[in-house]
Amino acid sequence: NAGVTQTPKFQVLKTGQSMTLQCAQDMNHEYMSWYRQDPGMGLRLIHYSVGAGITDQGEVPNGYNVSRSTTEDFPLRLLSAAPSQTSVYFCASRNRGRLYGYTFGSGTRLTVV
Amino acid sequence: AQSVTQLGSHVSVSEGALVLLRCNYSSSVPPYLFWYVQYPNQGLQLLLKYTTGATLVKGINGFEAEFKKSETSFHLTKPSAHMSDAAEYFCAVSGQTGANNLFFGTGTRLTVIP
Repeated sequence: NAGVTQTPKFQVLKTGQSMTLQCAQDMNHEYMSWYRQDPGMGLRLIHYSVGAGITDQGEVPNGYNVSRSTTEDFPLRLLSAAPSQTSVYFCASRNRGRLYGYTFGSGTRLTVV
Repeated sequence: AQSVTQLGSHVSVSEGALVLLRCNYSSSVPPYLFWYVQYPNQGLQLLLKYTTGATLVKGINGFEAEFKKSETSFHLTKPSAHMSDAAEYFCAVSGQTGANNLFFGTGTRLTVIP
């Protein structure tokens, strides 16, 4: 099925470990974003990309890196995980030309101990 | 800059009663406005959106919302609640140019009482 695919669905990390959350979309969307969802805080934008090779910071970028080498993939890297990064992470994508709203992945639930 | 405020983190209604979830926005440019729904352990699904044109917009599952510029509001309503409406609802705003990033409210959890 077409859409946004996130892997893994669940992950437990130890403080200081690194990992990459994967996000792939097969809709040829130019815009992709990463959000984190925390109780009582809604979704907050971490990083976003308006096309391959172009990324920018959102509201809460500290501790996260991104790159966009292809249109399809937008991985999110945690270089040194901290307990404050325990959250549910959502990847989303949309087309540039017509604003139908973003399509969201099913999320990655990350726990840092 | 854009932001939204959702009044009431929890709303409870009886089955068959009116659902009203409140959202007020702040935007320095003409906004696009959205309502998303999140069922337990799932991603977000678009309910409806306002971009331009008609201020009363209809979405899926019988929901609708009215854009009121004078009140900077975009409240979500449904005439008759169903048990399957129990979920968390997010209001979001974006600008109409540039990256058009979505900025979300803190969410309202809707409980439907049988």
